[in-house]
Amino acid sequence: GAVVSQHPSWVICKSGTSVKIECRSLDFQATTMFWYRQFPKQSLMLMATSNEGSKATYEQGVEKDKFLINHASLTLSTLTVTSAHPEDSSFYICSAPGQGTYEQYFGPGTRLTVT
Amino acid sequence: AQTVTQSQPEMSVQEAETVTLSCTYDTSESDYYLFWYKQPPSRQMILVIRQEAYKQQNATENRFSVNFQKAAKSFSLKISDSQLGDAAMYFCAYPGNAGGTSYGKLTFGQGTILTVHP
Repeated sequence: GAVVSQHPSWVICKSGTSVKIECRSLDFQATTMFWYRQFPKQSLMLMATSNEGSKATYEQGVEKDKFLINHASLTLSTLTVTSAHPEDSSFYICSAPGQGTYEQYFGPGTRLTVT
Repeated sequence: AQTVTQSQPEMSVQEAETVTLSCTYDTSESDYYLFWYKQPPSRQMILVIRQEAYKQQNATENRFSVNFQKAAKSFSLKISDSQLGDAAMYFCAYPGNAGGTSYGKLTFGQGTILTVHP
C-alpha cells in the first residue's frame, strides 16, 4: 500500500523560532498534498493544499505567512511554522491522495510543542 | 458547503458486542465517496471502510459494515464482535464530489471516541 512519512515525529522549539516539517510520499508521486492540524480529542482541520509547481492554497483563517508550504518535488511537501508561539503547539498531519483511488494516505503526524 | 456531523462524542461497548457510530452529511452532489477513518492512540489515521454513493449495496469489511442511506444523507458504521484493538477515535469523512477539482479535501466529522470494555 501507499506510504506517507513525516519528519520529525515530535519537535520542541522555543517561542520565536521556526520549525520545518517534512511530508514524503515514499512509493508514489503526489502532485497534491494536504496539511491538517489537530488539537487533542478534536477533529482534523484542513489548513492548506500543497500543489507541486505552484503556490499552496490556504483555508480561510489560516495565516499563510505563518505557515509556509513548499511542494518541492512530486514526493515532498514541507510545512514551516515561522515565529512559532505556544498557541501553535498542535499535532500536524499531512496526507496525499492515492493515484487512481479516492482515499487519502496519511502520514503518522508531527507533534509540535512550542515553549 | 459540505458538512459532516457526528453527534456521539463518546461511545462504549463491551468486548464481543456490537456498536453503531452515527454520521450525517450534507452535499448537493450525486456522485461521491464517504469514508470512515480510525485514529488509535498512535494517532495514525487508518481507513476503515469506504462507500461509493452510486452503489446501493452497503460496504462491508470483515467486522465493519455501514448503513448508507443516501436520501437521508446518513452513513453509520457498525462494528460487530468488538475487540480491544477497536478502541480509537473514529471519524466520518467526505472528500467532495468524485472527479471534482476540490476532490480529496476531506471534511471530517467531529469524531467519536470509542471505548471497548473487556
